[in-house]
Order: sequence, then structure tokens, then C-alpha cells
Amino acid sequence: NAGVTQTPKFQVLKTGQSMTLQCAQDMNHEYMSWYRQDPGMGLRLIHYSVGAGITDQGEVPNGYNVSRSTTEDFPLRLLSAAPSQTSVYFCASSRTSGGQSYEQYFGPGTRLTVT
Amino acid sequence: AQSVTQLDSHVSVSEGTPVLLRCNYSSSYSPSLFWYVQHPNKGLQLLLKYTSAATLVKGINGFEAEFKKSETSFHLTKPSAHMSDAAEYFCVVSRPISLQGAQKLVFGQGTRLTINP
Repeated sequence: NAGVTQTPKFQVLKTGQSMTLQCAQDMNHEYMSWYRQDPGMGLRLIHYSVGAGITDQGEVPNGYNVSRSTTEDFPLRLLSAAPSQTSVYFCASSRTSGGQSYEQYFGPGTRLTVT
Repeated sequence: AQSVTQLDSHVSVSEGTPVLLRCNYSSSYSPSLFWYVQHPNKGLQLLLKYTSAATLVKGINGFEAEFKKSETSFHLTKPSAHMSDAAEYFCVVSRPISLQGAQKLVFGQGTRLTINP
């Protein structure tokens, strides 16, 4: 049971380049989400999904796309990278049931630098 | 709207002394509250959670937190700090964001805990 995995661990992009951050979980969780972490700001929600084919925007969705074709995978796409997207990105997953707050399990993060 | 405020951005204590990390929350209804810990260059790990059962919640590694509705606080404590406790700590409130029962986590700004030998 690997939990939540993210690849790559580190990435450097030039402004305007696109890329996909990968996230996978093996716990059969319905809920998956992407956060970005910036100094002094905690984590902020980018996009989330409550199941295959169902996604929605979080607080800071601009410049990012997501899709969810399987329960296990939830990739995050940067369409045209900008220096403001330099951050550490975390993927998380959890069960969902009747509005209860279940523990969210976090991946190890991807550190992205845009030059 | 739900929000959390962590009252200290940095706390420094000596090894073996008590730890207190302060968190106030704002919520329009009975909240679910969490403390997460992040060790350097690592992901986040759940320390403990409050979901309207006992107001004193015990977590991992000797940490506990007390939910005080009258003070809208959820402070994290530990009787005796250990060097391995040095990390960033986040107070988090959750709120429902969809009919399917998904919960959004709203993070505080974080408190960096330093342990002095």
C-alpha cells in the first residue's frame, strides 16, 4: 500500500512551458485534491474531484487544469507556466461519506520552479 | 465562512519543556478541526482531529488539543518537547464543498516549532 504518490519530486520550467504533475493513490478514495503551498500562506486548494469524471475548482484554479478518468489518478496540468506558479504542490485523497470529515492523506509534494 | 488563525508564526521551546501552539477558528456551524504536522521537505501528517465528540482530543506523539467553543480556540499542546517535534504545524478547519460529502480543508498560515537542546 503506497498511499499517495506524486511525480516528479522536483521540476524546473521556463515561462510558457506546459507540464503535468502526476498524482496516484491506491486506497480507493473517492476524493482527491491538489493544493499549493507558499511561504506564510498555508496550503490553498487548486482543484478537487469527488470521483471519476467529476471535478471542480478550488480557491486558486487559474492556470491549472485537471481531469479524473480513473479513481486512482488525478493529474494537474499547467497550461502555460508563469513565475507566480513557483510553489510546492501537494496532492491529497480521502474517503467521502455523508459529509463526515475523514483524514486526508497527502503525497510527498512536487517542488516546481518557473524561471 | 470557515477560517483559522494561528496566533504565532514561530514558537521556540527547550527540549523537555511544554509546547503550546495557538489556533483560533471561525465557523458558521459546528466545525471539524485538525492539526497537521509537516517535517522539513516532507508531506503533511495528521496529528489529531476534532469532530464534535470529546472536547479533549489526543493525537500521535503525545500531542493533544482542546476544543473550546466559547473561546473559538483549538490549541495544540504537548507536556514535554522532543527534538523530533521540530516541524511546521498547521491548524485546519474543514467545510463541506459538495453533496457527495467532500470536505475542503482551510489551512492556517502555519507555526514553525523550534526545539532548543
